[in-house]
Amino acid sequence: TQLLEQSPQFLSIQEGENLTVYCNSSSVFSSLQWYRQEPGEGPVLLVTVVTGGEVKKLKRLTFQFGDARKDSSLHITAAQPGDTGLYLCAGALYNFNKFYFGSGTKLNVKP
Amino acid sequence: ETGVTQTPRHLVMGMTNKKSLKCEQHLGHNAMYWYKQSAKKPLELMFVYNFKEQTENNSVPSRFSPECPNSSHLFLHLHTLQPEDSALYLCASSQARDGNLREQYFGPGTRLTVT
Repeated sequence: TQLLEQSPQFLSIQEGENLTVYCNSSSVFSSLQWYRQEPGEGPVLLVTVVTGGEVKKLKRLTFQFGDARKDSSLHITAAQPGDTGLYLCAGALYNFNKFYFGSGTKLNVKP
Repeated sequence: ETGVTQTPRHLVMGMTNKKSLKCEQHLGHNAMYWYKQSAKKPLELMFVYNFKEQTENNSVPSRFSPECPNSSHLFLHLHTLQPEDSALYLCASSQARDGNLREQYFGPGTRLTVT
């Protein structure tokens, strides 16, 4: 079993719709990151959240870190075809030297 | 150059070949990582280096041999690979703050095909 459970695994929506991706765990993280990856390329860091309850916005993307630092969500408003890609969440545990990744959400936004 | 670079971007090798993947980070980070990403599988951590010392080997077969000569460079030496080793190999770097990790930055990856 993965330390970080990400859902849904796949999401296919029409342009203009809203969506939310979830990342859940029973562990407490010192920080949590969200990445977007295109086929054949490396993941690109979108945001890092470090404070429980923190909300960060990046244009149409809103990221939230749970109060207990065990979960996070990514909300996209008015999705566009350019948002298509694999979204990955990753977390770092306190005093550990590695990141734990979710299994990813493959998003397809149809024009 | 900025960020994390990887060479080559694509590699095709036979099962008896020996090749090496190279990664360089220009971010001044003290930790570097190798990951394997196969189709329809989650990202798999292979190795972690902190200040050039290997701190994690995630049960990786010995046909994969990492090398970290300094904090900016990381290599993955490959020999006698199997077709199931075909995957995207990603290098990443990060820096701890107050003893805890924050952002991790990835290179573009090397697409490896073993024939």
